Amino acid sequence: AQTVTQSQPEMSVQEAETVTLSCTYDTSESNYYLFWYKQPPSRQMILVIRQEAYKQQNATENRFSVNFQKAAKSFSLKISDSQLGDTAMYFCAFMNPQGGSEKLVFGKGTKLTVNP
Amino acid sequence: DTGVSQDPRHKITKRGQNVTFRCDPISEHNRLYWYRQTLGQGPEFLTYFQNEAQLEKSRLLSDRFSAERPKGSFSTLEIQRTEQGDSAMYLCASSFGTGRVSQPQHFGDGTRLSIL
Repeated sequence: AQTVTQSQPEMSVQEAETVTLSCTYDTSESNYYLFWYKQPPSRQMILVIRQEAYKQQNATENRFSVNFQKAAKSFSLKISDSQLGDTAMYFCAFMNPQGGSEKLVFGKGTKLTVNP
Repeated sequence: DTGVSQDPRHKITKRGQNVTFRCDPISEHNRLYWYRQTLGQGPEFLTYFQNEAQLEKSRLLSDRFSAERPKGSFSTLEIQRTEQGDSAMYLCASSFGTGRVSQPQHFGDGTRLSIL
């Protein structure tokens, strides 16, 4: 079974600085998808960024970028120029559609606080 | 695009009662998912529909739980004889997919269930 591990329960960063959230996963599959979702307090889960395992190039979305290390099974999220609105729970998630399953497997999350 | 809608937002009930939640996916989405999220944890997969067919169920979905998507549009999740351990946030998500290609899942605000 696939597992996703987020080793940082909480992190904080000063506004305008850069922060990196860690995620590792365990799978024997070669093709899969990885995601970072953001869940602000009392608000819905929002997709931040998605990476397809067969693509070597790291995904980027504006201030958000990932460092995807397939061999190490590592998928970290870098947030540049942090903003107060980035304060949220961040979840790393894995999906293996090749196995016929569409389910997302989530880590336990990292609570990020951006301080003014 | 009005997003994924869930009703009710909050449900408080006594142990042993039955509860039903509703999810309205994004209109053009053919895939619908239910997840459960307990405090301090990432969401856990419960079940998945493609159109009206329920294609996957988690072992978490005991026989007290039943989900339907009768016309391939909205879905209901019913919990019979609720227990204290059922207290959680129940999240619905939807996506559009054909074959093994699936777009990212979009989440609703969730239904928070509290068992007295």
